[in-house]
Amino acid sequence: DTGVSQDPRHKITKRGQNVTFRCDPISEHNRLYWYRQTLGQGPEFLTYFQNEAQLEKSRLLSDRFSAERPKGSFSTLEIQRTEQGDSAMYLCASSQTSGTRYNEQFFGPGTRLTVL
Amino acid sequence: GNSVTQMEGPVTLSEEAFLTINCTYTATGYPSLFWYVQYPGEGLQLLLKATKADDKGSNKGFEATYRKETTSFHLEKGSVQVSDSAVYFCALNQLIWGAGTKLIIKP
Repeated sequence: DTGVSQDPRHKITKRGQNVTFRCDPISEHNRLYWYRQTLGQGPEFLTYFQNEAQLEKSRLLSDRFSAERPKGSFSTLEIQRTEQGDSAMYLCASSQTSGTRYNEQFFGPGTRLTVL
Repeated sequence: GNSVTQMEGPVTLSEEAFLTINCTYTATGYPSLFWYVQYPGEGLQLLLKATKADDKGSNKGFEATYRKETTSFHLEKGSVQVSDSAVYFCALNQLIWGAGTKLIIKP
């Protein structure tokens, strides 16, 4: 069990650029979640997948955000035309839908995005 | 809509003091409730959970009881240690999160 990994750990970009983040979940986990967290706040749910299907997406999520999990393993989160308000920590978590640790989310270290 | 409200921090206590961090929620249906902890420099990790009314979650000396009548899930510990210093988050269905409460324990 190598844990949830995220890449990159830090990203600095200029306003208007596109960015893409990657998340590799724990291998046997079939659910994968994306959150955004700003300083002094709790995580804000963005979207989640079960296997390759995107089952829920936050109504607050701008259409500039898109996520994929094409083979049911790793996932990518893309932000198009970044804005300064997108600056935040982007967290990924994974969980399994069976077993003793059913539905317990394991979080990655996050990707910190700074939009200049 | 669903929401979670946590007491604001920071909460500063002396070692061996009793801890309560309040969490109340608004929800339709019967949500599951969670407490997560984030130690300095580390990622979020599950502390405890409760999936139905009157359930008590417990771990590492922390407890929380799911109270449907008061829509609360307060976190308690009888005797805190310096190593408990962290940020604690209450979450509803792991999709709606409180703002977090920073806990500082002084020796």
